[in-house]
Amino acid sequence: EAGVAQSPRYKIIEKRQSVAFWCNPISGHATLYWYQQILGQGPKLLIQFQNNGVVDDSQLPKDRFSAERLKGVDSTLKIQPAKLEDSAVYLCASSPRIRENEKLFFGSGTQLSVL
Amino acid sequence: DQQVKQNSPSLSVQEGRISILNCDYTNSMFDYFLWYKKYPAEGPTFLISISSIKDKNEDGRFTVFLNKSAKHLSLHIVPSQPGDSAVYFCAAKLNGNKLVFGAGTILRVKS
Repeated sequence: EAGVAQSPRYKIIEKRQSVAFWCNPISGHATLYWYQQILGQGPKLLIQFQNNGVVDDSQLPKDRFSAERLKGVDSTLKIQPAKLEDSAVYLCASSPRIRENEKLFFGSGTQLSVL
Repeated sequence: DQQVKQNSPSLSVQEGRISILNCDYTNSMFDYFLWYKKYPAEGPTFLISISSIKDKNEDGRFTVFLNKSAKHLSLHIVPSQPGDSAVYFCAAKLNGNKLVFGAGTILRVKS
């Protein structure tokens, strides 16, 4: 079974530039998550999708971050414009459904450096 | 507001000995707890979990203990192996499968 795929693996941009990350979840997984992990901290949930609908985006900085999951499969996370404090690893995760206590499967992440 | 805390940034253990990783939480609404393991350049992978109605769950060399009154859980690895060297994240679940993670503990198992 293929895992969660993310690209690019690394990205370096200057502040105020735009950047986009892509995620392909495990086939058949209805729920998709984007997490932000800043160095020295644990992952923090940015947004959660159930199929192509948003379940929770309460911690997404909506003035600069946006995410979509067209057709309920792949997802993209965009930052526009980027700030220095956005430097982090962006992790995508998926789970079969939103059933209680469902474990998450994580991708390898995209490491973003904002200079 | 750190609701899940892992106060030890790192831990070093000799191969064959027990590794004990600790985690404290503040939100009494958490009803499920998980441990994830992360190797460099990889995403976190699920290790073991425990429901708030239990005080112990065991899976091979890994045991998680939960003390609800103290709002404390721990992960025991016995015996520790060099391949266990990784970052271990404690996570607690709120409604809707939302996970709140601790900052992680780096475990080094020396051979």
